[in-house]
Amino acid sequence: RKEVEQDPGPFNVPEGATVAFNCTYSNSASQSFFWYRQDCRKEPKLLMSVYSSGNEDGRFTAQLNRASQYISLLIRDSKLSDSATYLCVVNKGDKIIFGKGTRLHILP
Amino acid sequence: DADVTQTPRNRITKTGKRIMLECSQTKGHDRMYWYRQDPGLGLRLIYYSFDVKDINKGEISDGYSVSRQAQAKFSLSLESAIPNQTALYFCATSDHWDRGMNEQFFGPGTRLTVL
Repeated sequence: RKEVEQDPGPFNVPEGATVAFNCTYSNSASQSFFWYRQDCRKEPKLLMSVYSSGNEDGRFTAQLNRASQYISLLIRDSKLSDSATYLCVVNKGDKIIFGKGTRLHILP
Repeated sequence: DADVTQTPRNRITKTGKRIMLECSQTKGHDRMYWYRQDPGLGLRLIYYSFDVKDINKGEISDGYSVSRQAQAKFSLSLESAIPNQTALYFCATSDHWDRGMNEQFFGPGTRLTVL
């Protein structure tokens, strides 16, 4: 099993729809979890941290399921500007693992 | 002004040449990282440094070396470039880790092509 796995997509979603994708991780001792967003040919930028209790930031909701070892990202009322690649990041101690990313295309 | 800068932004070189990629940051962070990104492979860690006297190998350090000249500067060298080192290279910084990882701030990237 790969350390961090994401569905590469692409997810093609009409504007205004809700979309969700997951990221699974293999190390049960992982400590910190994040979602980063990366636009084409640009640097990754932090979208949100993922807390055990779940957290929400506007249209974005992140969840952590330690029992099943996955994190999720839900985007409501999707906008054209949400089109990007979403990277899952898992950390344990000094080890940082980036997922390969899920591509999202929001269709007008 | 950008907090994390990388030079050059684009570079084309030939097999066997020595190349240095430079990274500077004004965030005052102790921790700096070099990653490469390849299509379908995601971001992979090459080297990281927790302070000026600390250098650590990452997942794919073979063929690369680094130098932490100061807290604000971390350079990546390819002693003898080869075509499979063609990639997009990112530098990143972060603050201390308290019970986990803090946010990483990335530079704009260097697109390196080795012919």
